[in-house]
Amino acid sequence: GQQLNQSPQSMFIQEGEDVSMNCTSSSIFNTWLWYKQEPGEGPVLLIALYKAGELTSNGRLTAQFGITRKDSFLNISASIPSDVGIYFCAGLNYGGSQGNLIFGKGTKLSVKP
Amino acid sequence: NAGVTQTPKFQVLKTGQSMTLQCAQDMNHEYMSWYRQDPGMGLRLIHYSVGAGITDQGEVPNGYNVSRSTTEDFPLRLLSAAPSQTSVYFCASSYGGRRLSFGELFFGEGSRLTVL
Repeated sequence: GQQLNQSPQSMFIQEGEDVSMNCTSSSIFNTWLWYKQEPGEGPVLLIALYKAGELTSNGRLTAQFGITRKDSFLNISASIPSDVGIYFCAGLNYGGSQGNLIFGKGTKLSVKP
Repeated sequence: NAGVTQTPKFQVLKTGQSMTLQCAQDMNHEYMSWYRQDPGMGLRLIHYSVGAGITDQGEVPNGYNVSRSTTEDFPLRLLSAAPSQTSVYFCASSYGGRRLSFGELFFGEGSRLTVL
């Protein structure tokens, strides 16, 4: 079946540093989504991407839909302690259902003040 | 708006016991689903529903049942609990498939289940 490879698995950075993480697949997707999960909470949608090559920002977060449609990237600029959490990518194709929504295994981010 | 509400938040069961995890949403979403989250495994889909009266299996459906009698509610039933079902369970909902945004999920806060 389809799989998403998310990397890195974990990151431990200093406050103020920029962060980059990515998600790749052998399959093409028409939608890429990025979620953040804080400790003890459910995931929350950060950014949704619907077009190959699309670059979308949400505050200090920027995500890109890869031109090949097989990958996506998330960047966080000037990290702060509240950025701590697990970041999940997810891929989906048009005409599918939630059964076709595939999640990566997550990138765990730790930020040292 | 309450969003997606899950109950209970914590539960301890003995092997062989049955129970139901409740999920309700007040956003009139067509899609609802249940995921389990285990360390290092990410989010795995158990069952999902595209509307009242319609359910389907996800990646890991064994040992679980669901039903969708109303748009608002989507309970998950564990028929005979096993230690392998110790996990954190999340209910999620989204708008229907005719909208581009149907992949944009709203998650509940999770139900933490331990099976002894």
